[in-house]
Amino acid sequence: DGGITQSPKYLFRKEGQNVTLSCEQNLNHDAMYWYRQDPGQGLRLIYYSQIVNDFQKGDIAEGYSVSREKKESFPLTVTSAQKNPTAFYLCASSSRSYEQYFGPGTRLTVT
Amino acid sequence: GDSVTQMEGPVTLSEEAFLTINCTYTATGYPSLFWYVQYPGEGLQLLLKATKADDKGSNKGFEATYRKETTSFHLEKGSVQVSDSAVYFCALTRDRDDKIIFGKGTRLHILP
Repeated sequence: DGGITQSPKYLFRKEGQNVTLSCEQNLNHDAMYWYRQDPGQGLRLIYYSQIVNDFQKGDIAEGYSVSREKKESFPLTVTSAQKNPTAFYLCASSSRSYEQYFGPGTRLTVT
Repeated sequence: GDSVTQMEGPVTLSEEAFLTINCTYTATGYPSLFWYVQYPGEGLQLLLKATKADDKGSNKGFEATYRKETTSFHLEKGSVQVSDSAVYFCALTRDRDDKIIFGKGTRLHILP
């Protein structure tokens, strides 16, 4: 079954700790994306990568970091510099058909 | 810059009612247009898409027509069901190397 997996579904961390969210896809897509979703708001782009070993900042990259060492993996690290990290994080990938395929999301709570 | 504006929710309807969720866009060139749906606690799923003017996207009884003259892509369904309750996002992208720009989403509640 092809798709995008994100783990874990729920994540709890103490303030001041870095945390890494996993995103894996077996769709053979070149491009991958990370979004943040807050209650009642749309999706805001954090980082995206169009090819292995390359990535670009999105609209709200401050306090986050990513890597793209493999085509199928695009982990997101939420650093202690992110002032308000509690949110729902969505990973997506896309191919030449323009549409994006989303994972089930990770809900991060930082206390 | 490019943007998507969709009607604010929540929208509450009775089962079997007619649904319209308005979406308008601002973009240069000829963007592709999408509707995504998000069920509670899940990621987004592509509902339908249209890639050129006058195209009609359809899926699961939902339809939307790409209207370049009015820069709109309104979502419609003739008879909604309780299972249609979700958040609906209108979105656009210009080409495969560009980002997708999402609207803020419209929450839909269907009452039995």
